[in-house]
Amino acid sequence: DAGVIQSPRHEVTEMGQEVTLRCKLISGHNSLFWYRQTMMRGLELLIYFNNNVPIDDSGMPEDRFSAKMPNASFSTLKIQPSEPRDSAVYFCASTTAMSSYNEQFFGPGTRLTVL
Amino acid sequence: AQSVTQPDIHITVSEGASLELRCNYSYGATPYLFWYVQSPGQGLQLLLKYFSGDTLVQGIKGFEAEFKRSQSSFNLRKPSVHWSDAAEYFCAVASGTYKYIFGTGTRLKVLA
Repeated sequence: DAGVIQSPRHEVTEMGQEVTLRCKLISGHNSLFWYRQTMMRGLELLIYFNNNVPIDDSGMPEDRFSAKMPNASFSTLKIQPSEPRDSAVYFCASTTAMSSYNEQFFGPGTRLTVL
Repeated sequence: AQSVTQPDIHITVSEGASLELRCNYSYGATPYLFWYVQSPGQGLQLLLKYFSGDTLVQGIKGFEAEFKRSQSSFNLRKPSVHWSDAAEYFCAVASGTYKYIFGTGTRLKVLA
């Protein structure tokens, strides 16, 4: 079975540009998490979807960030306009249910560099 | 508020030596606890988890962890470390119905 798929794996862009990160869930999973990982702040939850509906977006840093889940298997995280402080590794993770004890399966991450 | 503390940012051990990575949590109810490993350039992979029952939990790759409620700890152990264990290790506690609180991670270096 394919795991969580993220694209691109690496993205280098200039400040002010729009960036779109993509994530494909594991088949049969219905919960999706977007995380950001930085040296300073560690792993932060940005947003959580369950059955395509955003349940908790309290971790989204500001209005420049938006996330969508247009169908049950795919999600995008968009940053517009991007800033150098957005440089980080962005992970998505999926799981089978809205439950604490279900393992979250992580994708390989997208390393974003904003110049 | 819920929190997870991993007091060791870096740990270096020799191959074949034993390993213990510390994790302390703050959580009001019975916690759901996890250890994840992140190899360079990879996502996080679950090593083991604890919900209830036996306080000594076995995981993949020869790892185990022991839940000690009195110490609010969930330390990860391995009796003999292999060079391939070099990675970053994250402890996490589940908060509410879905949200994980991650520790800041411990980076393990293994000397040949």
